[in-house]
Amino acid sequence: QSALTQPASVSGSPGQSITISCTGTSSDVGSYNLVSWYQQHPGKAPKLMIYEVSKRPSGVSNRFSGSKSGNTASLTISGLQAEDEADYYCCSYAGSSTVYVFGTGTKVTVL
Amino acid sequence: EVQLVESGGGLVQPGGSLRLSCAASGFTFSSYEMNWVRQAPGKGLEWVSYISSSGSTIYYADSVKGRFTISRDNAKNSLYLQMNSLRAEDTAVYYCATLLMSGLNKHHAFDIWGQGTMVTVSS
Repeated sequence: QSALTQPASVSGSPGQSITISCTGTSSDVGSYNLVSWYQQHPGKAPKLMIYEVSKRPSGVSNRFSGSKSGNTASLTISGLQAEDEADYYCCSYAGSSTVYVFGTGTKVTVL
Repeated sequence: EVQLVESGGGLVQPGGSLRLSCAASGFTFSSYEMNWVRQAPGKGLEWVSYISSSGSTIYYADSVKGRFTISRDNAKNSLYLQMNSLRAEDTAVYYCATLLMSGLNKHHAFDIWGQGTMVTVSS
């Protein structure tokens, strides 16, 4: 099972909005509304930001939103802030054989 | 405080074995499905293994199948990963993580994470 495809890097200025894509296949992203997104700062454990495509866990800013179309999921960060600078990973459930597959990761830079 | 603390990492030679532990506190461990996720130095996240709350259902990534064994002891609030026949490509930080649950519903997302334990496979 190959990793989901994400852009290596995305950047934006404070206050702007950015979108990170996550492309899979009809066996994972396309088959299940079970895409999650994680934020990881250097040297830290990942933090769950979005689950089930577009749901936010308690405590996560509403500046983070998720969506999906076909085999591609997306994470949008609006009102970009300096603390949003981090690596972001998507993940999809892929059935009982493969179970979970992560994306390649995207480094977000706040200019 | 809800917490997961991994331990047991270290330096091991190729072909060797290591057993990782993950101690849970601050929540009802026996109700949660658990996972191991790893991250090679400078690389992305890779799901490794899953175990149901009772331990009756287990899954592995193809990359570790037949070499790694996940287990849990609900009485000790602990999760384990026995790693045998280790290879250089197993070098990574290993995280334990809960599966997000609401009641009996699992949301297939990793909710609570430990700080990770480093495993280095090298001669």
